[in-house]
Amino acid sequence: GAGVSQSPSNKVTEKGKDVELRCDPISGHTALYWYRQRLGQGLEFLIYFQGNSAPDKSGLPSDRFSAERTGESVSTLTIQRTQQEDSAVYLCASSQTGGDQPQHFGDGTRLSIL
Amino acid sequence: GQQLNQSPQSMFIQEGEDVSMNCTSSSIFNTWLWYKQDPGEGPVLLIALYKAGELTSNGRLTAQFGITRKDSFLNISASIPSDVGIYFCAGRNPPFSGTYKYIFGTGTRLKVLA
Repeated sequence: GAGVSQSPSNKVTEKGKDVELRCDPISGHTALYWYRQRLGQGLEFLIYFQGNSAPDKSGLPSDRFSAERTGESVSTLTIQRTQQEDSAVYLCASSQTGGDQPQHFGDGTRLSIL
Repeated sequence: GQQLNQSPQSMFIQEGEDVSMNCTSSSIFNTWLWYKQDPGEGPVLLIALYKAGELTSNGRLTAQFGITRKDSFLNISASIPSDVGIYFCAGRNPPFSGTYKYIFGTGTRLKVLA
């Protein structure tokens, strides 16, 4: 498609399980970002990719969170041993080259931890 | 994580009225972005600003990059019911910081009464 695509759109899982969230950026966009948005809150930066390298992982809240990117395409965000405080919407964005280029967002994955 | 201050946090207005909201930071930025988020969707870019003092319009929306580089303003003229949503500002630190991270505001929730 033309926009950023995220899957699944919703995920409900039990505390302690691992989850994997997927992001397909806009074709040709080299920069990819992951954000977390808690209910009623703003966007919290998690990690930034330029190509398949991650020069800025400063927003990952703990070592339970990790992310990978294949080339300049798909990225996966993995949360291990999920906790209830991980419940949030996880948004992915991409931009042409990073830097000042505006970021275009997907519709997010709504994650609920029971 | 670090966030910008947006005000007001929420507002109820009558259809046809003009709307003003702003975003302030303790740091200077070299880029400001304004996004709108509808329920269940990702943020959509409205306006991008790249130069202090810049005034840019997109239909009924007008945004300004503050002269001090620490603030930005968004105005919506003649509001209509579909303007309802959450408006986010985002600013990027100067390039010498070595980061391509955008910092997002806390959001202004707008409700338009018909």
